[in-house]
Amino acid sequence: DAMVIQNPRYQVTQFGKPVTLSCSQTLNHNVMYWYQQKSSQAPKLLFHYYDKDFNNEADTPDNFQSRRPNTSFCFLDIRSPGLGDAAMYLCATSRAGDTDTQYFGPGTRLTVL
Amino acid sequence: AQTVTQSQPEMSVQEAETVTLSCTYDTSESDYYLFWYKQPPSRQMILVIRQEAYKQQNATENRFSVNFQKAAKSFSLKISDSQLGDAAMYFCALHRGKLIFGQGTELSVKP
Repeated sequence: DAMVIQNPRYQVTQFGKPVTLSCSQTLNHNVMYWYQQKSSQAPKLLFHYYDKDFNNEADTPDNFQSRRPNTSFCFLDIRSPGLGDAAMYLCATSRAGDTDTQYFGPGTRLTVL
Repeated sequence: AQTVTQSQPEMSVQEAETVTLSCTYDTSESDYYLFWYKQPPSRQMILVIRQEAYKQQNATENRFSVNFQKAAKSFSLKISDSQLGDAAMYFCALHRGKLIFGQGTELSVKP
């Protein structure tokens, strides 16, 4: 089945220790998104790739970076995680940027000790 | 600015009954898309239903239907014959360039 896969499902890191979260998709969608979702809140868009074009949200901290080496994979790098970065990180994909439905992965829950 | 408001933080429904979740939004655009997403305790966001703003006909997906009132900027979700598996957080979202989510409504289903 075509899907959005996120690894790992649970990630524990130490304060200040870099961490990378992974997302892959078999939908062949050209747009990939990263969201941060804190408890009892709506997802907050961090950035997205339209093919190779990177689009950063204005309020996304510099601590967050992303890489998309190919159509299928996208990575979220947190350079120096703080306690406030503990959250669920959701990856989503869509076929086109403006109008198409976004399909979400199961998320990675990040804990920062 | 585009905003989405869900005024009901929590709702409860008896199994097999019908429940309606409210959503209002604000946009100056005439062409946009509206969505309802469901997020169960497992946390995977699942698409429930989608509505194109240019369509007057309300979208339906099995037990799920919407009441789309474009002039009033209202987009409510009706769940008929509620099932225990419907218990989840429901997010209303507006798409114009990017998804803008409401605050969510936590739906519980009582057996």
